[in-house]
Amino acid sequence: AQSVTQLGSHVSVSEGALVLLRCNYSSSVPPYLFWYVQYPNQGLQLLLKYTTGATLVKGINGFEAEFKKSETSFHLTKPSAHMSDAAEYFCAVSHPSSWGKLQFGAGTQVVVTP
Amino acid sequence: SQTIHQWPATLVQPVGSPLSLECTVEGTSNPNLYWYRQAAGRGLQLLFYSIGIGQISSEVPQNLSASRPQDRQFILSSKKLLLSDSGFYLCAWSSPAGGPLMFDEQFFGPGTRLTVL
Repeated sequence: AQSVTQLGSHVSVSEGALVLLRCNYSSSVPPYLFWYVQYPNQGLQLLLKYTTGATLVKGINGFEAEFKKSETSFHLTKPSAHMSDAAEYFCAVSHPSSWGKLQFGAGTQVVVTP
Repeated sequence: SQTIHQWPATLVQPVGSPLSLECTVEGTSNPNLYWYRQAAGRGLQLLFYSIGIGQISSEVPQNLSASRPQDRQFILSSKKLLLSDSGFYLCAWSSPAGGPLMFDEQFFGPGTRLTVL
């Protein structure tokens, strides 16, 4: 069985500071990994994904994440936070035997302060 | 391009009343379809998924049911709502099994906010 752990349900960052959201997974086989963002009362939007190939992946809005197999991690970063980054962020994992089903982490709420 | 619609956007229902939420996808064929619930302060819980017409898998036992009467239509229903059914319901689709993007990302609809009073 696979699972996803997001460390920190709430993160507060200053505008212009580094954003770091942590995600660790457990999976018996190499998974596909995703980060989604959700703005209030909206659906989820894909930020970036790792399936195969380069372990450092770049996404929309200046976010990037690095797949580290040895650490079973897929942490999300952005060098400089913007007020518009305030949202909830979800890490998710899937693998071929799950028929495309995603296992989501509990989410991290990001607050950006001026 | 593909789009996914959900309606209604918001719904307030009394306890014990029936429920029908609809999700439709445009621009793709034979998608995998998913219903999620997001309760206040909690993450996303997968409720149902479907890989084809009439093929529904339930992830958790509950007061809800799902149906897929057409290829790109997915309906979430209940005969009698409970207070605990309140939440934000999200529909999503992904490319079908066997396709070039199988097991790839899911695309989410705008959601339905359900309040049961």
